[in-house]
Amino acid sequence: EDQVTQSPEALRLQEGESSSLNCSYTVSGLRGLFWYRQDPGKGPEFLFTLYSAGEEKEKERLKATLTKKESFLHITAPKPEDSATYLCAVRSNDYKLSFGAGTTVTVRA
Amino acid sequence: DAGVTQSPTHLIKTRGQQVTLRCSPKSGHDTVSWYQQALGQGPQFIFQYYEEEERQRGNFPDRFSGHQFPNYSSELNVNALLLGDSALYLCASSLSQDTQYFGPGTRLTVL
Repeated sequence: EDQVTQSPEALRLQEGESSSLNCSYTVSGLRGLFWYRQDPGKGPEFLFTLYSAGEEKEKERLKATLTKKESFLHITAPKPEDSATYLCAVRSNDYKLSFGAGTTVTVRA
Repeated sequence: DAGVTQSPTHLIKTRGQQVTLRCSPKSGHDTVSWYQQALGQGPQFIFQYYEEEERQRGNFPDRFSGHQFPNYSSELNVNALLLGDSALYLCASSLSQDTQYFGPGTRLTVL
């Protein structure tokens, strides 16, 4: 069974203090690793898809990277509006999405 | 271009009742997936519909059933509600197995 573990569970940052979130996974045939952002009480918002080890994607202050066993989401010089829960998900050979529990990021001004 | 829409936004039911949740996919999408998200957890896959057929199913009992209509919209039905069914129910749409885009969710409370 596909497994996704995210760490840390929670991260409190000062505005401008860069950090990284980790997503480690075991999957039978990776068909994509996905990062989503979720605000309280709302649906997840798509950020990135990564398909192969060594791939990187960037969007504003966020950068996602992928290795054979884990992915990192780097947040550079975060702002309070970056506060959210960040979810990692993997898609395997059966095309189901399996999610981690998320990392809740709080950025203080 | 409207994104994924879900109705209702909130719903309160009592144990043993039945509920139907609705989802309209993003324009151009033909596949709808349903997820259950408990508080503080990641979404859990319930099932996926494509061409009006259930294509995949997660580890949920038969009390959870669904339907997809010719216009690609979908319904999730839950029978004999339990307290543990209280959660945020998310619908996601995609073009076949491409990236899934989520709706705002339906918050179900079972009393």
